[in-house]
Amino acid sequence: GAVVSQHPSRVICKSGTSVKIECRSLDFQATTMFWYRQFPKQSLMLMATSNEGSKATYEQGVEKDKFLINHASLTLSTLTVTSAHPEDSSFYICSANPSGGVETQYFGPGTRLLVL
Amino acid sequence: GENVEQHPSTLSVQEGDSAVIKCTYSDSASNYFPWYKQELGKGPQLIIDIRSNVGEKKDQRIAVTLNKTAKHFSLHITETQPEDSAVYFCAASGLMDSNYQLIWGAGTKLIIKP
Repeated sequence: GAVVSQHPSRVICKSGTSVKIECRSLDFQATTMFWYRQFPKQSLMLMATSNEGSKATYEQGVEKDKFLINHASLTLSTLTVTSAHPEDSSFYICSANPSGGVETQYFGPGTRLLVL
Repeated sequence: GENVEQHPSTLSVQEGDSAVIKCTYSDSASNYFPWYKQELGKGPQLIIDIRSNVGEKKDQRIAVTLNKTAKHFSLHITETQPEDSAVYFCAASGLMDSNYQLIWGAGTKLIIKP
């Protein structure tokens, strides 16, 4: 149980384009999902908390207009990187907790984004 | 806000030996401490967690100990195997910029030498 999937696993795009990443909870409902970014050989950095049916909560320094989050259902949250630039290249990972809240987070497999 | 420090950054042990990774936290109100294993190119996997009302928890070869007074917790892996090689992250629940979230350590790269 507690399986989280992400799609795509890897994406390469041109600078200036937008990229959408999907995060799905496969066997549970998640009112809250979390989006992280991880640069090579670094720890996880929380970008935003995605709340079903309401606006996402963004961490300081994360541009909400650049990283659009939509949590339209209890099993799906999407992250759209708008007007991507090379510095947005990173490993994006989502997580969710079957019980809600920040504890016992189960992570997706991650999405590797490369912006050329 | 909460701050989590993790040591060592790299740990190399002989197969079959034990490995210990340590983390300290700053906020005495933190009450949840998970450990995650991350293999190259994959998402983190929860391997064990502990809450502040417990001092130790074991799951086969893996154990976590918590010292609330000293504000540190440790991951212990016994009888290490090659498949234990990965990056391990500790975390603590706490406040960061008024948001309740998991605060992460910097990670430990564990290398199991055959």
